[in-house]
Amino acid sequence: EAEVAQSPRYKITEKSQAVAFWCDPISGHATLYWYRQILGQGPELLVQFQDESVVDDSQLPKDRFSAERLKGVDSTLKIQPAELGDSAMYLCASSDGFAEAFFGQGTRLTVV
Amino acid sequence: QKEVEQNSGPLSVPEGAIASLNCTYSDRGSQSFFWYRQYSGKSPELIMFIYSNGDKEDGRFTAQLNKASQYVSLLIRDSQPSDSATYLCAPTGGRALTFGSGTRLQVQP
Repeated sequence: EAEVAQSPRYKITEKSQAVAFWCDPISGHATLYWYRQILGQGPELLVQFQDESVVDDSQLPKDRFSAERLKGVDSTLKIQPAELGDSAMYLCASSDGFAEAFFGQGTRLTVV
Repeated sequence: QKEVEQNSGPLSVPEGAIASLNCTYSDRGSQSFFWYRQYSGKSPELIMFIYSNGDKEDGRFTAQLNKASQYVSLLIRDSQPSDSATYLCAPTGGRALTFGSGTRLQVQP
């Protein structure tokens, strides 16, 4: 069964360090989302891609976060420098248009 | 006002009872509505999708939509302990999926 792949599953980093997450969506899915989920809250959209183009990054803290999807397939989300408040689950999801979004298993980030 | 409002709970129901989960949304342009279930420490998974006013049933789950009132709900009949999870509402109207904070459901054996 096709699924969204994310790595790493867990990441511990020191504050002020750089950290990167990778996502490989379901084959053929043009839409890719990155969400951040703090414990006890719903997923918060960080960035949405349509193929290689950013559709919505209004909630992405651009002073420290960046995201790219160069060839319109896999994507990388980077944080530099990491802050204690960035500790959260980072979820990648993909969809075929505006249909159901399928989620990867997520990356649990802990900043110490 | 948040785009999507849900009671965070926890909503506690006994096994076999009906659980009723509610969601209101602010964007009148929302056309489709998703309900996702998220177990603790896991990713959200889709359980229901509705786009027409009225009810949609799938097994023990019924989604209800009232666009005039900007209200969507999820009913779970014969609740089981395995239904204990957080339920996320996500309206979409041609934009990215925007999630509510979720309602945590606890089904007591």
